[in-house]
Amino acid sequence: QKEVEQDPGPLSVPEGAIVSLNCTYSNSAFQYFMWYRQYSRKGPELLMYTYSSGNKEDGRFTAQVDKSSKYISLFIRDSQPSDSATYLCAMIRTSGTYKYIFGTGTRLKVLA
Amino acid sequence: DADVTQTPRNRITKTGKRIMLECSQTKGHDRMYWYRQDPGLGLRLIYYSFDVKDINKGEISDGYSVSRQAQAKFSLSLESAIPNQTALYFCATSDAHWSNEQFFGPGTRLTVL
Repeated sequence: QKEVEQDPGPLSVPEGAIVSLNCTYSNSAFQYFMWYRQYSRKGPELLMYTYSSGNKEDGRFTAQVDKSSKYISLFIRDSQPSDSATYLCAMIRTSGTYKYIFGTGTRLKVLA
Repeated sequence: DADVTQTPRNRITKTGKRIMLECSQTKGHDRMYWYRQDPGLGLRLIYYSFDVKDINKGEISDGYSVSRQAQAKFSLSLESAIPNQTALYFCATSDAHWSNEQFFGPGTRLTVL
């Protein structure tokens, strides 16, 4: 079983839709949770990070962490064609051996 | 100018050849990383370095070696390239005091024939 599971998609939605992207994980030692966005032919860029369970909002983006269920989500409101990219979740364990692990990424296409 | 640069951006080589991928950064970060990205497998860590004297293996280090020549430079070598090392390779950096965010270079597309 992979430590981090992420549906690869692709996910196609119409412009203006609410998008939900998700990751599950198996290691309760993960402490920090990130979402990266990767445009085609580019390196990933950090979009949002969270530490504790709950929600964090930044503009049209909301990151949600449920540590009890080992489940994290990224919601995109009023999606735009410019949001079309691959979204990767990432998690860090800093206690014991350092570990920074990425999900496989979900490819999103927002149709105009 | 880009903060993290990688050379070359594209490379085609043959099985058995030695290849070096180079990474330079102007962010002043101590920590540097090498990843490979494959469809369906995502980003996987090859090696990482927390400072010039520190080198650590990641989850898929077999067949690779690294050199940290300076704080700003971290190179990845394939001593004898094989076709299953065909992938997109990324270098990344992070600050020692806030290492949660990694800054990625533009990637090197490597094809081994």
